[in-house]
Amino acid sequence: EIVLTQSPGTLSLSPGERATLSCRASQSVSSGYLAWYQQKPGQAPRLLIYGASSRATGIPDRFSGSGSGTGFTLTISRLEPEDFAVYYCQHYGSLTWTFGQGTKVEIK
Amino acid sequence: QVQLQESGPGLVKPSQTLSLICTVSGGSISSGGYYWSWIRQHPGKGLEWIGYIYYSGSTYYNPSLKSRVTISADTSKNQFSLKLSSVTAADTAVYYCAAAGYCSSTSCPGIDYWGQGTLVTVSS
Repeated sequence: EIVLTQSPGTLSLSPGERATLSCRASQSVSSGYLAWYQQKPGQAPRLLIYGASSRATGIPDRFSGSGSGTGFTLTISRLEPEDFAVYYCQHYGSLTWTFGQGTKVEIK
Repeated sequence: QVQLQESGPGLVKPSQTLSLICTVSGGSISSGGYYWSWIRQHPGKGLEWIGYIYYSGSTYYNPSLKSRVTISADTSKNQFSLKLSSVTAADTAVYYCAAAGYCSSTSCPGIDYWGQGTLVTVSS
C-alpha cells in the first residue's frame, strides 16, 4: 500500500504570500493518479487538482500542481483570505485509494 | 451537476451495523462515468477511503475495512448504500458519499462531487 506523507503539517503565512505544500509517496506513482483537495471547516473537500497538474473546473489559476514519481507539490501563488484551509493529496491505487494526512494553511 | 445527499442514523450501538444511504440527483448511477464512493473522516483527522461501486455492480473496498463493508446500489431509486458491520467507537466519523470520475489507463479526473457528510457516532 502506498503511503502519502504531506509536509509541513501546518503552514503559517500571510495573505498575498506564496504557499508551497509537499506530498511524498512511499513509492513511485503515476502522476496521472495524483489529486489535491481543499477542505474548510464543516465542509466537504473540494477537488483542486487532478493528474498532478490539471486544475479542476472553476479553480483559480493561483493554484498549481507539479511533480512526478514520489514527490508532488501544490503551490498557491498568492494566498487569498479564502485559501486558508486544510489541503490533502490523494492517490488512486489499483487496490486502494489513499489520502495524505493533510497540511493546514493558517493565517500568520 | 451531480448532487449527493447522505441519510441514516446518527447514532449506532457498538457491535451493530452502520447503514447509510446516498441519494444521487443530476446524474444516473446506472450509467458509466463515476465511481460511487464512500469516504469517512474521523473527528479532527484526515480522510479515509472506504470503497466504491461502479455502474456495472463491481465493488472495491479498502483492504483494512473489507471484511466489514458492503456497498450496494438501488438503481430504481438512484441510490447507493453503505453497510459497516461490527462497529466500534473507532468507526465514529463523518461519512461522505462522493462521485469520483472514471479513470482512464493513464489518469483519474478526481473526486468531483461530494455530499455534505453525515456524522455517525458509535456509542451505547
